[in-house]
Amino acid sequence: DAGITQSPRHKVTETGTPVTLRCHQTENHRYMYWYRQDPGHGLRLIHYSYGVKDTDKGEVSDGYSVSRSKTEDFLLTLESATSSQTSVYFCAISERDRSNTGELFFGEGSRLTVL
Amino acid sequence: AQKVTQAQTEISVVEKEDVTLDCVYETRDTTYYLFWYKQPPSGELVFLIRRNSFDEQNEISGRYSWNFQKSTSSFNFTITASQVVDSAVYFCALSEAPSGTYKYIFGTGTRLKVLA
Repeated sequence: DAGITQSPRHKVTETGTPVTLRCHQTENHRYMYWYRQDPGHGLRLIHYSYGVKDTDKGEVSDGYSVSRSKTEDFLLTLESATSSQTSVYFCAISERDRSNTGELFFGEGSRLTVL
Repeated sequence: AQKVTQAQTEISVVEKEDVTLDCVYETRDTTYYLFWYKQPPSGELVFLIRRNSFDEQNEISGRYSWNFQKSTSSFNFTITASQVVDSAVYFCALSEAPSGTYKYIFGTGTRLKVLA
């Protein structure tokens, strides 16, 4: 199994509070991703990173920010959590080169409830 | 723009029946990759297969088989002689070539229920 750890695995917070989810990998993969999973929407990309300090927005990035100061860590921050951000969040990693795009390996998920 | 459509929201079959999960994709790129993932009730996401756009050969792995047709932009997944353990949500995904964006775009998933 790919070495991907998400923390916390479960969190309950109140509207308006900041929340940071951490993704840590031991695979030295260059590419890291944050997705959210909601019923009826599947997996939607929030932000992704293609290297240290290199990040870009996905399809549902409003209300989220990310940072990647080290290859192994990718942080997702909700500056002021809202109830619409209640979801299961998955981190994923991949590797690719000029001739090949690898598959995504996923963490176990972090369940966030915003009251 | 990339898009993946899984029109079947939920499918129920009786054990030992064959079942096909549909996946239709859109991309402007000529080089791309397609994937299938399984999410059992325990919640983890399990990689099943990767296919690049230049390889239209169908693939079989045990009871699983995949049919890739560029002419119809489809990458369908068939489970033969389904079992209760196949009950899960299945996701199809698309990623463009290494020279394109780095995104992986997923469909909304198909929930498969296999009844004993």
